[in-house]
Amino acid sequence: NAGVTQTPKFQVLKTGQSMTLQCAQDMNHNSMYWYRQDPGMGLRLIYYSASEGTTDKGEVPNGYNVSRLNKREFSLRLESAAPSQTSVYFCASSVQGLNTEAFFGQGTRLTVV
Amino acid sequence: GQSLEQPSEVTAVEGAIVQINCTYQTSGFYGLSWYQQHDGGAPTFLSYNALDGLEETGRFSSFLSRSDSYGYLLLQELQMKDSASYFCAVMDTGRRALTFGSGTRLQVQP
Repeated sequence: NAGVTQTPKFQVLKTGQSMTLQCAQDMNHNSMYWYRQDPGMGLRLIYYSASEGTTDKGEVPNGYNVSRLNKREFSLRLESAAPSQTSVYFCASSVQGLNTEAFFGQGTRLTVV
Repeated sequence: GQSLEQPSEVTAVEGAIVQINCTYQTSGFYGLSWYQQHDGGAPTFLSYNALDGLEETGRFSSFLSRSDSYGYLLLQELQMKDSASYFCAVMDTGRRALTFGSGTRLQVQP
């Protein structure tokens, strides 16, 4: 009963390094999302994928790219990490449509030094 | 775009009732959702109001008034474990993704 699984849980990067955050869900959900959460702030949408094969920008897409590899997996890539990207990243998924119940992974705590 | 406003912090005592308000501005949305997040944890879904009125789920109730662009989460019989952050969120009709408020940190005291 895994739900949404994110890897890694923690990561430290040097400025300019690249990395990919992985996310997989086993609930057969159509929609998947990437959010970032900074202290004292809500979750801000980076990118989302309403269905397999589609991706769209959210509120804060700059510096990120995504891939919807298949229905289960949605990855987030930082091509050249910056200290401003230090944050907690959450992947989420939901059934497509008006159902707004989203299921979240446990988060990736990323520090860029 | 959308914006949602919530109080940043609320404090209450165990056994009491607390109301967390959310006002929003949006061009179009399907309904208002509430999520709970404990420190270090992931957000979890609490409730969803598609229509005006009150929805009750155990000790938690949520209310929506579209005409007032306002909603609230009501927590009754507060327990220590209710200490967490609570976020309101809307599903935008255009983007089809959740937009979250900045969250209300609830501290329940003995």
